[in-house]
Amino acid sequence: ETGVTQSPTHLIKTRGQQVTLRCSSQSGHNTVSWYQQALGQGPQFIFQYYREEENGRGNFPPRFSGLQFPNYSSELNVNALELDDSALYLCASSPMTDRNTGELFFGEGSRLTVL
Amino acid sequence: AQSVTQLGSHVSVSEGALVLLRCNYSSSVPPYLFWYVQYPNQGLQLLLKYTSAATLVKGINGFEAEFKKSETSFHLTKPSAHMSDAAEYFCAVSYNTNAGKSTFGDGTTLTVKP
Repeated sequence: ETGVTQSPTHLIKTRGQQVTLRCSSQSGHNTVSWYQQALGQGPQFIFQYYREEENGRGNFPPRFSGLQFPNYSSELNVNALELDDSALYLCASSPMTDRNTGELFFGEGSRLTVL
Repeated sequence: AQSVTQLGSHVSVSEGALVLLRCNYSSSVPPYLFWYVQYPNQGLQLLLKYTSAATLVKGINGFEAEFKKSETSFHLTKPSAHMSDAAEYFCAVSYNTNAGKSTFGDGTTLTVKP
């Protein structure tokens, strides 16, 4: 069983640039959620994707956007990067079925630094 | 709205001592509660979960937690700490088993002294 994988693991951008982060969900999982974890804080819910559509969004501006593909993999895009966007971005997958036991399966994250 | 408060951002115990990590939640509906562990440079891993069944929940690595509705608490305990338990621990709450929209606390860093 393949776990959640994220890429890239680390990247550095400058203010105003755009970034795309990628996530492959665990085998058999059709739901992907994205979280932002700033240094010293807990993960903050950005949004969730199910059946290629956004299925709930946290308190993040529209410059945070995403996609889900037919194979359930997902992308997180952030436009007009700001210094405060520096964080660890976590992807988590889960099955949206009766097999859903309420557990999130996390990848190891993409650490974004904005200079 | 739901929220989670973890009391104590850092907890230090000696090896073999009791581990107690505190979590209080706020939820307008019956909550689903989770504890996750994060080791350095890794993602989060589920330790245990409460989903309205038994109030005392047992998880992996000898951890357990008790749901106390009257105290809105879900504290994590382990009778005897091991060096390998040193990590960051997060409490999370969600409205239902769609944990993908969970609200997390700010975490507690556990240090285990030899």
